[in-house]
Amino acid sequence: EAQVTQNPRYLITVTGKKLTVTCSQNMNHEYMSWYRQDPGLGLRQIYYSMNVEVTDKGDVPEGYKVSRKEKRNFPLILESPSPNQTSLYFCASSSIAQNQPQHFGDGTRLSIL
Amino acid sequence: AQKVTQAQTEISVVEKEDVTLDCVYETRDTTYYLFWYKQPPSGELVFLIRRNSFDEQNEISGRYSWNFQKSTSSFNFTITASQVVDSAVYFCALSEASSNQFYFGTGTSLTVIP
Repeated sequence: EAQVTQNPRYLITVTGKKLTVTCSQNMNHEYMSWYRQDPGLGLRQIYYSMNVEVTDKGDVPEGYKVSRKEKRNFPLILESPSPNQTSLYFCASSSIAQNQPQHFGDGTRLSIL
Repeated sequence: AQKVTQAQTEISVVEKEDVTLDCVYETRDTTYYLFWYKQPPSGELVFLIRRNSFDEQNEISGRYSWNFQKSTSSFNFTITASQVVDSAVYFCALSEASSNQFYFGTGTSLTVIP
């Protein structure tokens, strides 16, 4: 089954404790992306990647890191999480970038205390 | 400036009514792509439609229809004879050929009352 898998689905942690949210897709997609969803703000793109070893900042990259060492994986790293990073996070993938619909994971709800 | 504006934050309709969700976008590119996604209460994001800037034909898929007008930079979504299962948050999104970024609107929460 074609899918984008995010882990964990839920996480409650404390300020400053490094965490990683994993994202994996099995569709051989070149393009992968991370979004955060906040009430009243919709989805905002954090980082995206056009292919292995190619990553770029989206609209809200501050406080986040990503890596793309393999085509299928695109982890989101919060080196020193803060409460304002409490949000619902989605990973997405698509073949090519601009004109293809993205397939989304089920989301990861992060709470930073 | 917001590239995608969904001015309607929340809409409530009674079942079987028609409803239109508005989407206005802003871009200087001549080549761009527009999308609609649905997020039901279960939380997943479901792709509904994609349109490129060169194709202004309106599209109908069952009870769903989309009206793309470049002259007003709008890509509106109409649900005919709404059903309770249409209750969801709907997002409009833009992707520009000059950039590899996606821009989403703030979403419209639709509630269909039985």
